[in-house]
Amino acid sequence: DTGVSQDPRHKITKRGQNVTFRCDPISEHNRLYWYRQTLGQGPEFLTYFQNEAQLEKSRLLSDRFSAERPKGSFSTLEIQRTEQGDSAMYLCASSFMGAQETQYFGPGTRLLVL
Amino acid sequence: AQSVSQHNHHVILSEAASLELGCNYSYGGTVNLFWYVQYPGQHLQLLLKYFSGDPLVKGIKGFEAEFIKSKFSFNLRKPSVQWSDTAEYFCAVNGGSQGNLIFGKGTKLSVKP
Repeated sequence: DTGVSQDPRHKITKRGQNVTFRCDPISEHNRLYWYRQTLGQGPEFLTYFQNEAQLEKSRLLSDRFSAERPKGSFSTLEIQRTEQGDSAMYLCASSFMGAQETQYFGPGTRLLVL
Repeated sequence: AQSVSQHNHHVILSEAASLELGCNYSYGGTVNLFWYVQYPGQHLQLLLKYFSGDPLVKGIKGFEAEFIKSKFSFNLRKPSVQWSDTAEYFCAVNGGSQGNLIFGKGTKLSVKP
């Protein structure tokens, strides 16, 4: 299977700790998106990359959040000084930029902040 | 502000019943519309999509959706549901040069065998 993969699938951490998630997109896709999903809600956009350039960040993305895609392939999302409100499912999606761009989602990383 | 509204939070149907899930969006321009499905324990999967052309689009597993521009709607339909359709369904929209998707809150569908 050459779909979007995410690691880890689950993460439990204590408040104040830093966490980092990884996303590997579908290999030929040049766009990579991060979303966050909480219980009872649809996914909410956080940020996205086109190749290695971070093109847009949501206001949901506080200063404690940072994302990178250093070589235009995999991406990392880091949360510093985690808070209980950061507990959520973090989803990654990738796509190929074009007229009929379609995003394909990974399995997500479920974060629990104690 | 751009938004997507899904009318029903939880729908319960018996097998063979017909399904229609509502989706309305607020977006001031050309839109692309999507339905994603999340089966229990699995990740979001694309069910169907609309970019342009025929407003009636067919997706996987017998699902279809109709884009009605005048009503800002993109309702999902299936003539006869199966137990295996039990899942959560999300409507999403983007448009113009905007790449990120705006999702509705989702509708949970439970199909009784």
